[in-house]
Amino acid sequence: DQQVKQNSPSLSVQEGRISILNCDYTNSMFDYFLWYKKYPAEGPTFLISISSIKDKNEDGRFTVFLNKSAKHLSLHIVPSQPGDSAVYFCAAKGVEYKLSFGAGTTVTVRA
Amino acid sequence: DAMVIQNPRYQVTQFGKPVTLSCSQTLNHNVMYWYQQKSSQAPKLLFHYYDKDFNNEADTPDNFQSRRPNTSFCFLDIRSPGLGDAAMYLCATSRGYSENQPQHFGDGTRLSIL
Repeated sequence: DQQVKQNSPSLSVQEGRISILNCDYTNSMFDYFLWYKKYPAEGPTFLISISSIKDKNEDGRFTVFLNKSAKHLSLHIVPSQPGDSAVYFCAAKGVEYKLSFGAGTTVTVRA
Repeated sequence: DAMVIQNPRYQVTQFGKPVTLSCSQTLNHNVMYWYQQKSSQAPKLLFHYYDKDFNNEADTPDNFQSRRPNTSFCFLDIRSPGLGDAAMYLCATSRGYSENQPQHFGDGTRLSIL
């Protein structure tokens, strides 16, 4: 049963504009959320995270928003750059070790 | 650079022929994980080691086993690969389970079954 869902498999955005990636989860026990970025032929790399006690975390061009009541989080990339073209995975963590991943969203930044 | 290294990057094996995938790390992390990822799907955790303690996920097939002879190395053994085992296998490490200790991934081994 998929507890973390990324309903948009792909997203195309023009360079300089905002990219918004969405993620929904079903398990209310999740208390920590992460975004990973993956280039072709490479492993996922950690990008940004947020604890359930916060509703926003910002790191440079990347901001993650968490809406606990809606069990929804989003990643904003502003401004989008060609190097941001990659697959982005949303992941959620509960009380133990396990990360539950979404299936990923492929972002393409157009010049 | 400290990193997680997976060998080989591509592995082809025959149906039913045992295969071993390798992962090494220079991060000196306590935890090592193995994930299976099929095309357009989420990575699925197979098992992990915290130091020498092995933790198997409930739905991991018996066909999959793992060994961690020391802190730096971890192996994934597939005893009798079937066609459904063709996938990308990702190794990851973390210092511990805490929130501020994210998992670091290797580049993966893509396994093909003939």
